[in-house]
Amino acid sequence: SYELTQPHSVSVSPGQTASITCSGDKLGDKYVSWYQQTPGQSPVLVIYQDIKRRSGIFERFSGSNSGNTATLTISGTQAMDEGDYYCQAWDSSTVVFGGGTKLTVL
Amino acid sequence: QVQLQESGPGLVKPSETLSLTCNVSGYSISTGYYWGWIRQPPGKGLEWIGSKFHSGSTYYNPSLKSRVTISLHTSKNQFSLNLTSVTAADTAVYYCARGEGGSYWAFDYWGQGTLVTVPS
Repeated sequence: SYELTQPHSVSVSPGQTASITCSGDKLGDKYVSWYQQTPGQSPVLVIYQDIKRRSGIFERFSGSNSGNTATLTISGTQAMDEGDYYCQAWDSSTVVFGGGTKLTVL
Repeated sequence: QVQLQESGPGLVKPSETLSLTCNVSGYSISTGYYWGWIRQPPGKGLEWIGSKFHSGSTYYNPSLKSRVTISLHTSKNQFSLNLTSVTAADTAVYYCARGEGGSYWAFDYWGQGTLVTVPS
């Protein structure tokens, strides 16, 4: 079965750029979506089709996908961006989620 | 505005069937999109259970396929999840979600989630 691998945690200082990676075999050939989940809340779609930002999502969120790695980039990270981030793709008629990355804004 | 709301028992005995319903407002499920379920065990990540298209196409997680049924109830604008033969490993927050499927997948609307506990 297809697997998506994310780092367990990422730390960033306020105002700096955070990069969260998602790795999978030939992931660049698939579309990737990203979700943000803050404590006690439902996941929120942030990025879809690799690079498209969902309406209402801050412009500091951007995505890319090439080769075996997709990346969610948060520019000018703010404290409100703390939470868990999940990548997701579609493979062999199955939705696959990455294990999630905890973003800490120190 | 599209809204989804899960309902169902919070406690299910081992070996029994977990049944949840998702009520949808603000959009008719018979119009389009995939309608499905995603779960999250306490303190863990997201696991897709399955999704069903308004016209009938259905996809299930292979690891759960033998125990899962997702049904659409268009007259009530609801859809449901049945998961049979549950064990403690099925304890999780269950989310219903609307999915954009096809060449790409993305879940753009989610319910608030409902915790289902299966005691060991």
